[in-house]
Amino acid sequence: GNSVTQMEGPVTLSEEAFLTINCTYTATGYPSLFWYVQYPGEGLQLLLKATKADDKGSNKGFEATYRKETTSFHLEKGSVQVSDSAVYFCALYNAGNMLTFGGGTRLMVKP
Amino acid sequence: GAVVSQHPSRVICKSGTSVKIECRSLDFQATTMFWYRQFPKKSLMLMATSNEGSKATYEQGVEKDKFLINHASLTLSTLTVTSAHPEDSSFYICSAIAGRASYIQYFGAGTRLSVL
Repeated sequence: GNSVTQMEGPVTLSEEAFLTINCTYTATGYPSLFWYVQYPGEGLQLLLKATKADDKGSNKGFEATYRKETTSFHLEKGSVQVSDSAVYFCALYNAGNMLTFGGGTRLMVKP
Repeated sequence: GAVVSQHPSRVICKSGTSVKIECRSLDFQATTMFWYRQFPKKSLMLMATSNEGSKATYEQGVEKDKFLINHASLTLSTLTVTSAHPEDSSFYICSAIAGRASYIQYFGAGTRLSVL
């Protein structure tokens, strides 16, 4: 079956630090991969996506590259801001209409 | 992007009462909507998938008689928590996709249910 594993948090960084949140997946075929962000007290927002191997999704300074050889989709940002503090979810879609989510990683950015 | 509105954002109710949560797609027709439950500091747990005009498909372990889902139109799905108890307190989130060929889910802002 499908599964998504992401690093446990919380991840605490100082403002302007480099961010990496690891995400690996298990799936048959060729899934699409997503990062969602959840700000405190809110629902999930789609942050970025990649639909095939070697695609790079990017948005708001965040990037993630679909690596089929390592079954990974790590999220990166070169310089985080306090406003990036949130919970980040890696997810995959593989046929049907359901998303499989990772456990979420809480990011806390301190001024 | 597509907007999904969820209402109410927060509800507090007494044990034994029923609570209805609405999920609306504002600028697109949602052929499929999903209902999730999120426990504190945990990931989302899919409760059910609902397609317009048909019965919802519940995930294993989710009581269909307790969590009634209605998807009467292409822009509205409702989740009713019947005879709510404190253990039903949680954050409920809906999502929707536009069209059968689409797979991108757009999420509502969530409803925090507190049962006293």
